[in-house]
Amino acid sequence: DQQVKQNSPSLSVQEGRISILNCDYTNSMFDYFLWYKKYPAEGPTFLISISSIKDKNEDGRFTVFLNKSAKHLSLHIVPSQPGDSAVYFCAASALPGNQFYFGTGTSLTVIP
Amino acid sequence: DAEITQSPRHKITETGRQVTLACHQTWNHNNMFWYRQDLGHGLRLIHYSYGVQDTNKGEVSDGYSVSRSNTEDLPLTLESAASSQTSVYFCASSGPYEQYFGPGTRLTVT
Repeated sequence: DQQVKQNSPSLSVQEGRISILNCDYTNSMFDYFLWYKKYPAEGPTFLISISSIKDKNEDGRFTVFLNKSAKHLSLHIVPSQPGDSAVYFCAASALPGNQFYFGTGTSLTVIP
Repeated sequence: DAEITQSPRHKITETGRQVTLACHQTWNHNNMFWYRQDLGHGLRLIHYSYGVQDTNKGEVSDGYSVSRSNTEDLPLTLESAASSQTSVYFCASSGPYEQYFGPGTRLTVT
């Protein structure tokens, strides 16, 4: 049973606009969440994280929001750039550094 | 700079053969992981280790084994390769927070 779900397999956005990628989870024990970005033929690279004691974390153009009561997190990219085109995975863990559960990924295309 | 490497990057093998994929990290991390990535399934955990001599089964461990004899390496062995094991395999290691991934090995079983 998939404990972390990304229900949108793909997303297209115009350059300069906001990209919003969503992720839902089922396990209430999850306390630490990460987003990874993956280009073709490369390994995933860490993008941004958030722990359950926060509801928002920002890093430049990337912001992650966490709604624990809804078991939902989202990644906002503003403004979107063509170089952001990649597959984005969300991941969740009950303990940072230990076993993570990954979503199925959302393929983002930013149109110039 | 610390890194995590995988070899080979590409491998073609025949059904029934034993195959070993190598993973080496220089982060000095205790925690290491093997995933496979398939369309529609994302990243699924095969095996993981929290230190030397420690190994644990993940979500899709059938047909795979790992051993951890030192901190740096976690080789993944397919005992008898099957066509269903055609996939891209990623190794990762983690410090206190996030996981760092290797570049992946594309394995084709014919």
